[in-house]
Amino acid sequence: EDQVTQSPEALRLQEGESSSLNCSYTVSGLRGLFWYRQDPGKGPEFLFTLYSAGEEKEKERLKATLTKKESFLHITAPKPEDSATYLCAVQDSVSGFQKLVFGTGTRLLVSP
Amino acid sequence: DSGVTQTPKHLITATGQRVTLRCSPRSGDLSVYWYQQSLDQGLQFLIQYYNGEERAKGNILERFSAQQFPDLHSELNLSSLELGDSALYFCASSRGSEQYFGPGTRLTVT
Repeated sequence: EDQVTQSPEALRLQEGESSSLNCSYTVSGLRGLFWYRQDPGKGPEFLFTLYSAGEEKEKERLKATLTKKESFLHITAPKPEDSATYLCAVQDSVSGFQKLVFGTGTRLLVSP
Repeated sequence: DSGVTQTPKHLITATGQRVTLRCSPRSGDLSVYWYQQSLDQGLQFLIQYYNGEERAKGNILERFSAQQFPDLHSELNLSSLELGDSALYFCASSRGSEQYFGPGTRLTVT
């Protein structure tokens, strides 16, 4: 069964203080690993897709990386507007289904 | 704005009742997915439709059903509602790997 574990559950940073969020996954065959941002009461907002180990994607202050067992979301010099819950999800290539299996997320709070 | 729309935004209903949630996918997307998000369980996949046909099922209760119409909009029907069905229900659509989520419907069962 596909599993996704995210850590830490919550993270508090000062503005400008860089850090990383972790997503560990177990999947029979990885079709893709996805990062989403979710604000309270809103729908998840797509950030990145990573397909193979060694791949990296960047968007503004965010950079996502992928290994065979985990993914990291690096946040460089965060701003208060980066405060949100960051969700990681996997899609497996074996079942043929396109469902996403999500982790429970990391709640990020960036203080000014 | 993802381009996925959901109605209504909020629903408050009593136990035992039936409700219908509606989703319109992004223009051109043939796949529609339904997810449930509750405080204790995170985002859980319910069901997927592709161009009107059921494609995959997750842990969807027998009291829940869905369909996708010829114009590609989808409806999720929840019946015999229980207190535990209170949650956020999201619809997502895709034409490739990436799924784009709607704003959700918050269901409160009292």
